[in-house]
Amino acid sequence: DIQMTQSPSSLSASVGDRVTITCRASQSISNYLNWYQQKPGKAPKLLIYAASSLQSGVPSRFSGSGSGTECTLTISSLQPEDFATYYCQQSYSIPYTFGQGTKLEIK
Amino acid sequence: QLRLQESGPGLVKPSETLSLTCTVSGDSISSSGYYWGWIRQPPGKGLEWIGSFYSGGNMYYSPSLKSRLSISVDTSKNDFSLKVTSVTAADTAVYYCARQGTWNQFDNWGQGTLVTVSS
Repeated sequence: DIQMTQSPSSLSASVGDRVTITCRASQSISNYLNWYQQKPGKAPKLLIYAASSLQSGVPSRFSGSGSGTECTLTISSLQPEDFATYYCQQSYSIPYTFGQGTKLEIK
Repeated sequence: QLRLQESGPGLVKPSETLSLTCTVSGDSISSSGYYWGWIRQPPGKGLEWIGSFYSGGNMYYSPSLKSRLSISVDTSKNDFSLKVTSVTAADTAVYYCARQGTWNQFDNWGQGTLVTVSS
């Protein structure tokens, strides 16, 4: 199985901050990397697919980059509604695996 | 508008079988050309992919669950089902169904349903 490791596991930031979350894979996954946002009691919401493609309807302050074994999710200017948990997922090979999550909290 | 809705018992006894159904509206499982899947999330923990299928016949299961898992499709009802046999407390989780896009991303999710394994 491909192991996905996110860093940091938690992060405190303020509205307006620029935030970056990193996801590392235990082997190359090309650009088969997806990012999700999850709020308490809700289903995950797809933000970014194929490492850098913005899902329809997702604000442009979210962006993704990278390939191979390391990808990043960047939020250019945090908004109050962005405080949530973020997960990466590799879709390169089965079993699909997720990172452990990054909890983004208000400072 | 695509909508997925999970349904099934919220409480299952240990050693019994967990059965859930995902009803899809706004898209056709049989003709959409997409894969569809199940993902679960134990309380307070991360996400775990369970399995995915294509209505044309391809079925993929998580190796860790494969011996206890089956996914079936009812194209006449436009729904698909999950069965997990011999459940234990470790199978307690919120179970989600989702549509899988062309990059194997999960682009549309059901709201999820909590299944508790307890006597």
